[in-house]
Amino acid sequence: DVKVTQSSRYLVKRTGEKVFLECVQDMDHENMFWYRQDPGLGLRLIYFSYDVKMKEKGDIPEGYSVSREKKERFSLILESASTNQTSMYLCASNTRVLGETQYFGPGTRLLVL
Amino acid sequence: GQNIDQPTEMTATEGAIVQINCTYQTSGFNGLFWYQQHAGEAPTFLSYNVLDGLEEKGRFSSFLSRSKGYSYLLLKELQMKDSASYLCAVREDTGFQKLVFGTGTRLLVSP
Repeated sequence: DVKVTQSSRYLVKRTGEKVFLECVQDMDHENMFWYRQDPGLGLRLIYFSYDVKMKEKGDIPEGYSVSREKKERFSLILESASTNQTSMYLCASNTRVLGETQYFGPGTRLLVL
Repeated sequence: GQNIDQPTEMTATEGAIVQINCTYQTSGFNGLFWYQQHAGEAPTFLSYNVLDGLEEKGRFSSFLSRSKGYSYLLLKELQMKDSASYLCAVREDTGFQKLVFGTGTRLLVSP
């Protein structure tokens, strides 16, 4: 069974704080993704990584950075959290096999006050 | 540009059949996925279409027409537990396995 875990289910932070969201997958997947999900906007890709130390910007990378030092772990960093980053954050992973689905973690609901 | 359209909300009755449509206009196409997402949970994979036609999987079927930029998800013999959001996602024709998601269709199944 594929397992994607995220460090927290719920998180409350203050404006200006540095926030780390961690994602770990146990299936040796090459690709990892970070999305945010907001009502009426669907899932939007923030960053993705196709290999260790590699990263690519998604559709909404502003205000975020990522780190992938090990294959199984992909971190999303909010350098200085703002209220408009209040959202549900979902991590996903898959292999490079054509047509394979992405496997999602349970999500982190972040509230920035 | 990227544009994926789905109805925002649908309602249906237990035991009925419902069809959720998805139309897309993307810069490339390399397959279409359907996911189910219950409230507060992660999306889970339902189906994948890359060629035209119908893929059947138990109570769920998915159809694709690449020339029309159109797909639908068909749910038969609806059950209360099918109340969820259904997400349509297109894999673009890039070297990476990026997906572009629609905003999702919230399905409410009533007794």
